[in-house]
Amino acid sequence: AQTIHQWPVAEIKAVGSPLSLGCTIKGKSSPNLYWYWQATGGTLQQLFYSITVGQVESVVQLNLSASRPKDDQFILSTEKLLLSHSGFYLCAWSRDSTEVFFGKGTRLTVV
Amino acid sequence: GEQVEQLPSILRVQEGSSASINCSYEDSASNYFPWYKQEPGENPKLIIDIRSNMERKQIQELIVLLDKKAKRFSLHITDTQPGDSAMYFCAASAVGSNYKLTFGKGTLLTVTP
Repeated sequence: AQTIHQWPVAEIKAVGSPLSLGCTIKGKSSPNLYWYWQATGGTLQQLFYSITVGQVESVVQLNLSASRPKDDQFILSTEKLLLSHSGFYLCAWSRDSTEVFFGKGTRLTVV
Repeated sequence: GEQVEQLPSILRVQEGSSASINCSYEDSASNYFPWYKQEPGENPKLIIDIRSNMERKQIQELIVLLDKKAKRFSLHITDTQPGDSAMYFCAASAVGSNYKLTFGKGTLLTVTP
């Protein structure tokens, strides 16, 4: 069975500080990987997707970047956090362009 | 890009009754329509989906209907239980959409005893 692990579970960071969130998928080779963002009480916004190692496509510009250094790893980062970056960050995977499964998420609070 | 509208934003029903959530989409190329349930503090979980080659799909108490002509799809929960209380999101995606799943704004369902 496939498992998806996100880290950290929660972060409190200062405005202007850097951020790195991670995600690992086990049990599935060459998955499609995604980063989603959800404001408190809000909808889910896709940020990035990757269909292969080393290739990441941006969906929206939020002063964030993503990388896929390994087949099973997806990283979300920024050098300077903004207050607007607060929210729930969800890594997700799919076999194809359907049936997206989410990790447990990282709750980020920027102060 | 695709836009998905979801109504109502808040839905309150009595235990044992049915609950219905409606979504509409704009892109006629959309061909995959999943529904997610999200409990407070948790990740969204896929509960049922339907593809454009179907008009109706049922998994236990969950029924999804798709009207491609009207570009509408809906989730019906029959015999609701307090455990059905959660936020529900509909979504749509299309072949060639660069793997983008567009979500509705969500419906907060509360089932009262």
